[in-house]
Amino acid sequence: DTVLTQSPGSLAVSLGERATINCKSSQSVLYSSDNKNYLAWYQQKPGQPPKLLVYWASTRESGVPDRFSGSGSGTDFTLTITSLQAEDVAVYYCHQYYSTPDTFGQGTKLEIK
Amino acid sequence: QVQLVQSGSELKKPGASVKISCKASGYNLTVHAINWVRQAPGQGLQWMGWINTNTGIPMYAQGFTGRFVFSLDTSVNTAYVQIIGLKSDDSAIYYCARTRSPGSWGSFGIWGQGTMITVS
Repeated sequence: DTVLTQSPGSLAVSLGERATINCKSSQSVLYSSDNKNYLAWYQQKPGQPPKLLVYWASTRESGVPDRFSGSGSGTDFTLTITSLQAEDVAVYYCHQYYSTPDTFGQGTKLEIK
Repeated sequence: QVQLVQSGSELKKPGASVKISCKASGYNLTVHAINWVRQAPGQGLQWMGWINTNTGIPMYAQGFTGRFVFSLDTSVNTAYVQIIGLKSDDSAIYYCARTRSPGSWGSFGIWGQGTMITVS
């Protein structure tokens, strides 16, 4: 199985500052035939289901604020939130859909400092 | 409005069975695969498997074979997961999630609201 390791496990960032969450995959999720990274990022707020933020590692889902951006390729990926807002407090998960079984990172809890 | 609406929370005794529904609205269920994801209390997300909504063929992740059954009723645009022989470890929130793009592969663009199953 492909293991996704997120870091840090939790972080506290001041309002208006940048938050960076990393996701490292135990094997590449880059599919050579279409040159796409089969990796997504989700945001989960308390009592709510996860919400898709980014897919193909760097494509922002419709309606997601542009302060959220994904980057990386192969085995190393990053979700960046520029200018943190109070409503961004949540747990963030990466997800690989390159190989079965699908797997998720363990989650990163983002709080306001 | 495209959405997945799941059945309500249930309290069950060990050894009982439960069937969770996931009704699709705003689109035809057969166009996008349905995945099932479990979240134990205070824990992360665990992929249980998926069902090809075109063929009805399910695929189960390791650890979800034998007691878990994915099914469809396309006449009512609904997917189901049945859990047989409930154990206390099955206490969790269960989510259905639709692939973002048509077909069987991809990120999960639409999620149900979740169904809490408590085994006690």
